[in-house]
Amino acid sequence: DAGVTQSPTHLIKTRGQQVTLRCSPKSGHDTVSWYQQALGQGPQFIFQYYEEEERQRGNFPDRFSGHQFPNYSSELNVNALLLGDSALYLCASSLRLGSQFFGPGTRLTVL
Amino acid sequence: AQKITQTQPGMFVQEKEAVTLDCTYDTSDPSYGLFWYKQPSSGEMIFLIYQGSYDQQNATEGRYSLNFQKARKSANLVISASQLGDSAMYFCAMREGVKLTFGTGTRLTIIP
Repeated sequence: DAGVTQSPTHLIKTRGQQVTLRCSPKSGHDTVSWYQQALGQGPQFIFQYYEEEERQRGNFPDRFSGHQFPNYSSELNVNALLLGDSALYLCASSLRLGSQFFGPGTRLTVL
Repeated sequence: AQKITQTQPGMFVQEKEAVTLDCTYDTSDPSYGLFWYKQPSSGEMIFLIYQGSYDQQNATEGRYSLNFQKARKSANLVISASQLGDSAMYFCAMREGVKLTFGTGTRLTIIP
């Protein structure tokens, strides 16, 4: 039973660029949430997708956007990257409001 | 106001001893869920245990148990018979609606 997978594992970008991160949920899950974890902090909720729509959004600017596909996989897009966007980006999947299971994360470095 | 408070930035525990990681929370919602996750240096958040606000009994999962004291708004994680592989960051989280709100974490180090 495959768990949550994320790609890529690591990514290096420069300020102003755009990035797309990908997530495949655990088998049987239909809901995907994205979190940003800065160094030394707990994860911060970005948004959650269910039935291909954004269900709820955290306190993040519009530069952060997402998408969910019919097969429940999801993308996180960040435009106009800032140095402060450097973080570990975690994807979590769940069956509706059930317990969230996390992927290994994508470590983004913005130079 | 912080919704999840973990007051222990770091803890050192002898192997095979039990350890309690503290977590207090703040919410006015009568329906909520409390979670503990383990994060090794690799970065992946590993789900450990869940307690619902209406659950009458404390949750247990193998060596992990959650000491849920609703009136005190605390949800401490107890790890029995600690092992070297338990060394990691531990996060307490609360679900309100769809999102999880995390504490700042406790770094647990098990000493051989």
